[in-house]
Amino acid sequence: KQEVTQIPAALSVPEGENLVLNCSFTDSAIYNLQWFRQDPGKGLTSLLLIQSSQREQTSGRLNASLDKSSGRSTLYIAASQPGDSATYLCAVITGANNLFFGTGTRLTVIP
Amino acid sequence: EAEVAQSPRYKITEKSQAVAFWCDPISGHATLYWYRQILGQGPELLVQFQDESVVDDSQLPKDRFSAERLKGVDSTLKIQPAELGDSAMYLCASSRGPSGGYTFGSGTRLTVV
Repeated sequence: KQEVTQIPAALSVPEGENLVLNCSFTDSAIYNLQWFRQDPGKGLTSLLLIQSSQREQTSGRLNASLDKSSGRSTLYIAASQPGDSATYLCAVITGANNLFFGTGTRLTVIP
Repeated sequence: EAEVAQSPRYKITEKSQAVAFWCDPISGHATLYWYRQILGQGPELLVQFQDESVVDDSQLPKDRFSAERLKGVDSTLKIQPAELGDSAMYLCASSRGPSGGYTFGSGTRLTVV
């Protein structure tokens, strides 16, 4: 069974800092990988979807990379803002259209 | 932008009572999922539908949980009887296929007292 791990579990940074969130998975036979944001008590908002044939995807201040062979993905957030405070979840998508989540990284950006 | 609709947004119920959640996926999305998320953890799959058929319900506690998607569009998840340990966020998601990614609804926060 696919296992997804996110490190660190929690991260606190001052506003303006660049940061990297890490995601690792045990089975490299994934179809895609998707990063989500979750605010407290809310549903999941999609941030970036990386196709298996891609190595990275960018949206605004966010950049996600994917290395299938090593079972790793990173989410880079540039110039962090207090509004970026949330839990970030990565999820791997299999060819059977199953989605396996990590436990998330809780980010706090301090003004 | 198209959304996945879920209701109710919040639900408080007493132990041993029945509770039901509703989900309306994005139009044209054949695959629908119900996930449960316990506070501080990642979502875990309860049931996956392809059109009106169940594809995976291996993690669904079938003694108390049931799910249906009768016409292959909207779906209902039911718990009867509810237990204290069922308190969690219940999330619905839909997908066109593995290449298109997933879209989640706002979730239903269930509290069992």
